[in-house]
Amino acid sequence: DQQVKQNSPSLSVQEGRISILNCDYTNSMFDYFLWYKKYPAEGPTFLISISSIKDKNEDGRFTVFLNKSAKHLSLHIVPSQPGDSAVYFCAASLGLNEKLTFGTGTRLTIIP
Amino acid sequence: DVKVTQSSRYLVKRTGEKVFLECVQDMDHENMFWYRQDPGLGLRLIYFSYDVKMKEKGDIPEGYSVSREKKERFSLILESASTNQTSMYLCASRGQGRGYGYTFGSGTRLTVV
Repeated sequence: DQQVKQNSPSLSVQEGRISILNCDYTNSMFDYFLWYKKYPAEGPTFLISISSIKDKNEDGRFTVFLNKSAKHLSLHIVPSQPGDSAVYFCAASLGLNEKLTFGTGTRLTIIP
Repeated sequence: DVKVTQSSRYLVKRTGEKVFLECVQDMDHENMFWYRQDPGLGLRLIYFSYDVKMKEKGDIPEGYSVSREKKERFSLILESASTNQTSMYLCASRGQGRGYGYTFGSGTRLTVV
């Protein structure tokens, strides 16, 4: 039973435009959400996070939005750059120091 | 920067073999995790450990066991490898109270033939 889902396995975006990656979850008890980025032959690296008490968190070109009523979060990257091409995983946890449950991943390709 | 090292990048093993995947971290982290990554399934938690000698089952522990005899080392054991255990295995560590700051190793691509 996949508690965290990313329904788009892949996404292609023109360089300079906005990339929007989506994630849905089923467990309403999740209260921390994160995005990780993974290049081939490397481990995932932490990108940005959001607590359930917020609905938006920004860090440079990256913004995460949380809609608790819809159990949905999204990652916006603007402007998109070629180095953003990677697989993106969303993840959720039941508490700050609890284990992470990851989504299925979305492969983002930025077209020059 | 914390470093998580997985001993092998690629492994090929035969069905029925006992397989050891080793993971070492150098930042005195209490928490360590083993995930496997499969296309369309994302990262799934196999086992984790909150401290030395402690272990907890994750979402897919069947066919695996773990060992945490020292704080820095967390081993994943495939008791009798099967072809459905062909996967990318990722180890991660996190310091206590560090919230969501997982640091991952580069992964071990295991093929069982």
